Amino acid sequence: DIQMTQSPSSLSASVGDRVTITCRASQNIDTYLNWYQQRPGKAPNLLIYAASSLHSGVPSRFRGSGSGTEFTLIISSLQPDDIASYYCLQIHTDQWTFGQGTKVEIK
Amino acid sequence: QVQVVQSGADVKKPGSSVKVSCKAYGGTFNTYKVSWVRQAPGQGLEWMGGIIPMIGSPNYARKFQGRVTITADKSTTTVYVEVRNLRSADTAVYYCLITRQYWGQGTLVTVSS
Repeated sequence: DIQMTQSPSSLSASVGDRVTITCRASQNIDTYLNWYQQRPGKAPNLLIYAASSLHSGVPSRFRGSGSGTEFTLIISSLQPDDIASYYCLQIHTDQWTFGQGTKVEIK
Repeated sequence: QVQVVQSGADVKKPGSSVKVSCKAYGGTFNTYKVSWVRQAPGQGLEWMGGIIPMIGSPNYARKFQGRVTITADKSTTTVYVEVRNLRSADTAVYYCLITRQYWGQGTLVTVSS
């Protein structure tokens, strides 16, 4: 099965900071990767699909990049509304797997 | 636009089974991949398995094979997940995910004696 290693597990940053979250796949998944945001107590929301496509209605400060085994989610200017956990999900095979998640807090 | 409504919270005894439902409103349900994802308290998301109702053959994460069954009722646009032989570690919020973007509200299943 494909393992997804996400880092960091948590981070604290100031409003306006650039935030970077990474997911590494244990084998090549091309661009079959989605990113989700989950606010406390809520269901997740799709941010990015196919590694770099911004889902409708998602602010442009969110950007995804990468292919193969290395992927990045960048929040260009952190906002208070971005307090949440973020997860990558690989859908390359019929055995989908999530990264362990990254909890983002405001300093 | 697809709306997703799941069944309500449930409390079960260890060793019993639970069946959670996920009903879709709108869209072309039968062609969508419907997945089940669970989240134990304070933990991350875990993909359990999925089904495309039109095809009907589910696939499962290896961890859940043999103890979980996913089924679909095309006539009512409803997908179910059944978890058997429940243990305390199955206490979690169970989410339905349709395609990549439409999530149900989540169903809390508590396993407790």
